[in-house]
Amino acid sequence: QLVLTQSPSASASLGASVNLTCTLSSGHSTYAIAWHQQQPEKGPRYLMKLNTDGSHSKGDGIPDRFSGSSSGAERYLTISSLQSEDGADYYCQTWGTDFSVFGGGTKLTVL
Amino acid sequence: EVQLVESGGGLVQPGGSLRLSCEASGFTFSSYWMTWVRQAPGKGLAWVAKMNQDGSQKHYVDSVKGRFTISRDNAKNSLYLQMNSLRAEDTALYYCARVCSSTSCYAADDFWGQGTLVTVSS
Repeated sequence: QLVLTQSPSASASLGASVNLTCTLSSGHSTYAIAWHQQQPEKGPRYLMKLNTDGSHSKGDGIPDRFSGSSSGAERYLTISSLQSEDGADYYCQTWGTDFSVFGGGTKLTVL
Repeated sequence: EVQLVESGGGLVQPGGSLRLSCEASGFTFSSYWMTWVRQAPGKGLAWVAKMNQDGSQKHYVDSVKGRFTISRDNAKNSLYLQMNSLRAEDTALYYCARVCSSTSCYAADDFWGQGTLVTVSS
């Protein structure tokens, strides 16, 4: 069964950088994922699709401060020059022909 | 501008039914897979169902199979979720989302609505 694992929380200071991790379960390391941001009391917002080789394609209007990378079964979201509005929940997602699955989400606090 | 607007949520008793709607605009609705995702209060996102452009393929998470039905009306640019035999654990904010069809983001959910709240309680 395909499972995406995320740390429940992360924190970093204003202006700093942070890496959020999404880990694909054993046997599923070749799956691409998507990263989504959900600010408080808002609907999710698509950030990017991240492929196995680390190439990624961002959604409309997503700042250059957001980037992605991959290593094995790990998929990373890096946010640089943190701003207060980056404080949000971040979810990874993957899919197959007949399913979709989300990670548990990481709550990012900007200090 | 792509817009997805959900409606139809509300308070319903256990065992009851509800039909959610999602009205799409700003893109060619009939060209995209569409999906429903829910979020229980204080919890994370959970996929519910998805369907292809002409409705010939429909897929559901196991917990809603036999109770929920996803459908669409391409002439009305609308997606639906018929929910029957509702349970307390179906209480959630329900989002519709578009599934990307372009090469760059293929199969990712690339636009989301703001959600409609379903509360199942006696």
